[in-house]
Amino acid sequence: EDKVVQSPLSLVVHEGDTVTLNCSYEVTNFRSLLWYKQEKKAPTFLFMLTSSGIEKKSGRLSSILDKKELFSILNITATQTGDSAIYLCAVGATSGSRLTFGEGTQLTVNP
Amino acid sequence: GAGVSQSPSNKVTEKGKDVELRCDPISGHTALYWYRQSLGQGLEFLIYFQGNSAPDKSGLPSDRFSAERTGGSVSTLTIQRTQQEDSAVYLCASSEQRNEQFFGPGTRLTVL
Repeated sequence: EDKVVQSPLSLVVHEGDTVTLNCSYEVTNFRSLLWYKQEKKAPTFLFMLTSSGIEKKSGRLSSILDKKELFSILNITATQTGDSAIYLCAVGATSGSRLTFGEGTQLTVNP
Repeated sequence: GAGVSQSPSNKVTEKGKDVELRCDPISGHTALYWYRQSLGQGLEFLIYFQGNSAPDKSGLPSDRFSAERTGGSVSTLTIQRTQQEDSAVYLCASSEQRNEQFFGPGTRLTVL
């Protein structure tokens, strides 16, 4: 059974801090790993990673995948209160199109 | 439309009633997915459509749950004889083939 584990489950920081969110996975026939940000109901897409060692970057957010060690990290630098959200990690397999999600990391950024 | 839309945004029903949840995917997306998210939990896969067929419906929790998709577009998720444990946010997503999935705003279902 495919499995995704995220850590920490919750994190409270101050504005300006840098945070690293972790995602480890076990999946048969790995195809891709995705990061989403969920503020209210709809998860919004952040990154899709398919290759090891290639960093994806968007503004203050970046992510990298290690397919040998089966994990990914999501970095957020110079955090802002608007970064407060649940960050979800998901993996997709070539054998099917479903995504398997982790429980998420609840990030709170205080002013 | 510009994104995935879902209706209703909120639904309150009594135990034992049937409910229908609707999803309009992004135009041109052939793949459509239903997930649900219980309070404080991650997303749980329910069913996947490719066109109008459902090659993977293994996530449906019981035979009270069914879904259909018509015209390769709109999908309806039906829950019969609702139970309190069905209370959750039901999320729909669409994608082009097997690329990144884009989510709708969800339907919050509350079964009293």
